[in-house]
Amino acid sequence: AQTVTQSQPEMSVQEAETVTLSCTYDTSESDYYLFWYKQPPSRQMILVIRQEAYKQQNATENRFSVNFQKAAKSFSLKISDSQLGDAAMYFCAYRFMDSNYQLIWGAGTKLIIKP
Amino acid sequence: GAGVSQTPSNKVTEKGKYVELRCDPISGHTALYWYRQSLGQGPEFLIYFQGTGAADDSGLPNDRFFAVRPEGSVSTLKIQRTERGDSAVYLCASSLTGTGVGYGYTFGSGTRLTVV
Repeated sequence: AQTVTQSQPEMSVQEAETVTLSCTYDTSESDYYLFWYKQPPSRQMILVIRQEAYKQQNATENRFSVNFQKAAKSFSLKISDSQLGDAAMYFCAYRFMDSNYQLIWGAGTKLIIKP
Repeated sequence: GAGVSQTPSNKVTEKGKYVELRCDPISGHTALYWYRQSLGQGPEFLIYFQGTGAADDSGLPNDRFFAVRPEGSVSTLKIQRTERGDSAVYLCASSLTGTGVGYGYTFGSGTRLTVV
């Protein structure tokens, strides 16, 4: 069965610094999607970045980038130039290729930004 | 509307009572999804509507949970005989048909249900 593990319950970073959140997963599938979602206190799940497993190139969205290591089943999120608005819970999620809405979620990492 | 709207934002109810949670999706989104998020976990899938019909209700935990979407827009999640274990944030999401999580899929801010 697929699993997603976030080993860091909480991380803190100084404003303007860089932080990396870890995520590992287990699957026997070769095609799938991976996501990082942000959940601020407002509770809305907001997509940060997505990665299609068939793409070798790491996804990048402005200050957010991933290090996707398919063989190692690792999918870490790097946040550059951290801002106070980045403070939130961050969830890593695995989506099956043949499902639009079934996901396996990690337990989340709480990111604290120190001013 | 501009986003997915969920009401109420917070609901406290007594054990054994009946509750209704409402989700108003983005206008034009034909697909609607309900998830349940327990403390310290990611969202767990409950049910998926395509139009007015439930296309997949395999995530509903038991027959105390029921959801409707009579006109293909607003959906209501109904929980009978609530139990303390039902306490969670109930999230709704919507999308255009054919898109999935991560592609034009929008979550609401959820309803925090507390059963005392």
